[in-house]
Order: sequence, then structure tokens, then C-alpha cells
Amino acid sequence: AQSVTQLDSQVPVFEEAPVELRCNYSSSVSVYLFWYVQYPNQGLQLLLKYLSGSTLVESINGFEAEFNKSQTSFHLRKPSVHISDTAEYFCAVSGGFGNEKLTFGTGTRLTIIP
Amino acid sequence: ETGVTQSPTHLIKTRGQQVTLRCSSQSGHNTVSWYQQALGQGPQFIFQYYREEENGRGNFPPRFSGLQFPNYSSELNVNALELDDSALYLCASSGNRGPAEAFFGQGTRLTVV
Repeated sequence: AQSVTQLDSQVPVFEEAPVELRCNYSSSVSVYLFWYVQYPNQGLQLLLKYLSGSTLVESINGFEAEFNKSQTSFHLRKPSVHISDTAEYFCAVSGGFGNEKLTFGTGTRLTIIP
Repeated sequence: ETGVTQSPTHLIKTRGQQVTLRCSSQSGHNTVSWYQQALGQGPQFIFQYYREEENGRGNFPPRFSGLQFPNYSSELNVNALELDDSALYLCASSGNRGPAEAFFGQGTRLTVV
């Protein structure tokens, strides 16, 4: 069985400040890890993913996440946030081929304070 | 825009009724997954269809059922609606790279009264 824990339900951050959204996972098999972003009244958009290889993955809009196998974590970070980053962020895990369902955390609402 | 479209975007149903939600997958994708996202929660996996066959199911009762058609579009049917079925229903399509290339639609907001 797989599970995801997002430790913070809400994170308020001042504009241009750094942010870290925490995610820990549990799985008995090798995993794929994902961060999705959800804007109000919209579906999920893939922000970044870890499949294999380099443990540091980056998105096109400045977010990055690092896969830490020993700590079973996949924290999301951004060095300087913008108002447009206000959204709900979901961490998810999948077991890969043959076990492809995504198991999501409960989400972290990121609020950027001007 | 992901190319995954869901219809309708919103609907209201009465407890006990039946509902059908639709999803058109992205071109070239042969797998469709459905998720239920209750208010303030993360999405929960309902089931997945691969080439018209159910290929995995989450912890949902049998009154949640689905279909996938030869063009890989899909339907989610829910019978005997309950108040707790009120949620955003999300469809995701993926291809041969599995969840590594899953794309979500905008969702259908179902309200059961």
C-alpha cells in the first residue's frame, strides 16, 4: 500500500520570500513521485515529477523538488514566490507500470501575501 | 490545455438519482483513470480503464461503474446518489508511459441535494 502525507494544510508566505511545501510518502515498492497544482475551480496540472535518475527535479516556473529515499520525502521548494503561485499543491505517488494509480496527499494551500 | 475534456462542468442531482459523467482522453492515450475529490481533500482513485477493460479499482462501492469506448473516451456512472457523492470528479488520461504522462481534465462538479 502507498500513502502520502503533506504536513502543512496551509502555508502563508510573503511575496518574493522562499517557500517549502513538505511531502512524505510510504511505499513498499519503487515509486514515481509527483507534484500537482490546482487553481480554483480547475483540474490538476502537473508541476514536476521524479521517475528515476537525478534526485533533483525542476519545473519551468522555478519550482524544484528533491527525492530523498532515506527520508522518504519529496519536498517542493521555490526560492522566490509570486502572487500567481497562490494555489493548492498536491503531492502524489505511483507505483509505476502495473500499479499506476496515483495516491494523493490532502494538499497544501499556498497563499502569497503581497 | 491538456486535451482532456470532461462534461458537463457542473450538475446538480437529487439523492437517489443516477448520473453519467463523460471524459474525452488526449489523442494517443489508451488509459483513463477517474478520481473523486471531496471538498478540502486530495483526489481519491476510483478506477482505471485500459483498452476498454477495467484495470484497477479503488475503495468505492459497486454503484460506481464505468465504461471505456473504442475511441478511448470514458464514462463514469454513479447509481443511487448519496449526499456524500458531492465532489469534483476528475478524469486523467495516460499512454504507454503510464502515470509519467497523465493529464487531467478540468473536472465535473457534482452536487447532490
